[in-house]
Amino acid sequence: QITLKESGPTLVKATQTLTLTCTFSGFSLSTNGVGVGWIRQPPGKALEWLALIYWNGDERYNPSLRSRLTITKDTPKNRVVLTMTNMDPVDTATYFCAHRQAIQLWPFDYWGQGTLVTVSS
Amino acid sequence: DIQLTQSPSFLSASVGDRVTITCRASQGISSFLAWYQQKPGKAPKVLIYAASTLQSGVPSRFSGSGSGTEFTLTISSLQPEDFATYCCQQLDSYPYTFGQGTKLEIK
Repeated sequence: QITLKESGPTLVKATQTLTLTCTFSGFSLSTNGVGVGWIRQPPGKALEWLALIYWNGDERYNPSLRSRLTITKDTPKNRVVLTMTNMDPVDTATYFCAHRQAIQLWPFDYWGQGTLVTVSS
Repeated sequence: DIQLTQSPSFLSASVGDRVTITCRASQGISSFLAWYQQKPGKAPKVLIYAASTLQSGVPSRFSGSGSGTEFTLTISSLQPEDFATYCCQQLDSYPYTFGQGTKLEIK
């Protein structure tokens, strides 16, 4: 059974760096074809894909946020970490991590429950 | 970036109705499209991928079709648990993008 769970601060101040951790079970990032991504959703707004990391270390980022994002994996601990620098109130959102296979047609098939991050000015 | 535009943004329907939601891509994406259902305070749940493949465990009243730039999600007979927000996602190229969502409400 695949599960994912996000953790991190619920409140950050503007200009600070956000660090979120996705802890998962039921799969391993040492397995060929596996990936974990981050997606966020501001209150009442659409989903926005942020970043992805694959079993082979391949990292993908949304170009609109690339300069602020870093995604890393800790394979033995089944964790993926997303850091976002220079936070702004517009970054207030629920942040989700999700699993997918490295197959072009494959969706994000398992999601964490999400964690709401509020950025204060 | 590939833009996805859903229509309608809001849809009011009754239990038992057949409803269709459309997702249009700003450029061709072959069949690299997924549909998700999201309920308030919950994570999205994938319903359809590869434009028309039903995710395991999803009821057969959900179906998807289309390729290229125009896609549809159809619910053949609405059930009470189907009232939610639906969105599409393209997986053709990075950055992956989502539609703005269609909120399906009870009439």
